[in-house]
Amino acid sequence: ELKVEQNPLFLSMQEGKNYTIYCNYSTTSDRLYWYRQDPGKSLESLFVLLSNGAVKQEGRLMASLDTKARLSTLHITAAVHDLSATYFCAGLNTDKLIFGTGTRLQVFP
Amino acid sequence: DGGITQSPKYLFRKEGQNVTLSCEQNLNHDAMYWYRQDPGQGLRLIYYSQIVNDFQKGDIAEGYSVSREKKESFPLTVTSAQKNPTAFYLCASTSKRQAGNTIYFGEGSWLTVV
Repeated sequence: ELKVEQNPLFLSMQEGKNYTIYCNYSTTSDRLYWYRQDPGKSLESLFVLLSNGAVKQEGRLMASLDTKARLSTLHITAAVHDLSATYFCAGLNTDKLIFGTGTRLQVFP
Repeated sequence: DGGITQSPKYLFRKEGQNVTLSCEQNLNHDAMYWYRQDPGQGLRLIYYSQIVNDFQKGDIAEGYSVSREKKESFPLTVTSAQKNPTAFYLCASTSKRQAGNTIYFGEGSWLTVV
């Protein structure tokens, strides 16, 4: 059964700094998703990663996938306050979409 | 506009009552999902469906029921057997025909037991 773990659970970072959120999964995942959630809101899709070595970038966020290591990363470059939110990764296995615990990101001046 | 519509946005339930949360999509998606989110927590899968008239239990199905009579609709009933139903409920859908398709979420429904 697919299990998805994220770390760190909480990340407080200064504006302008770089950091990486890690997403490990326990068994084969057909694809890997990254989402953003603002407080009290639904989930906003960020990236869908399909194959080993896939890399996608949007603004200050870049996601990558290593299927051999069962690891996906979300890299934040030169953080700004607007990136403050909770970020989730999710894996898909036998039609079940399973989410990680989430990483709450807080960016301060 | 195409999308996923959940209703109601806010719902209050008395002890012992069943309530039904609506989820409708006009994206022609095959797969639909229901998740529960408790404050400060992640999403837990309740039920999912890949085709009409078929659905599977997720990780926390006890106390919940669903139906999939139409491709567009996947309502969730929170029964009186669910002892702690206060949470944020999210419905999602996706197309299975294209591997790169993302999974879209509705706006969510807040359920509170009073």
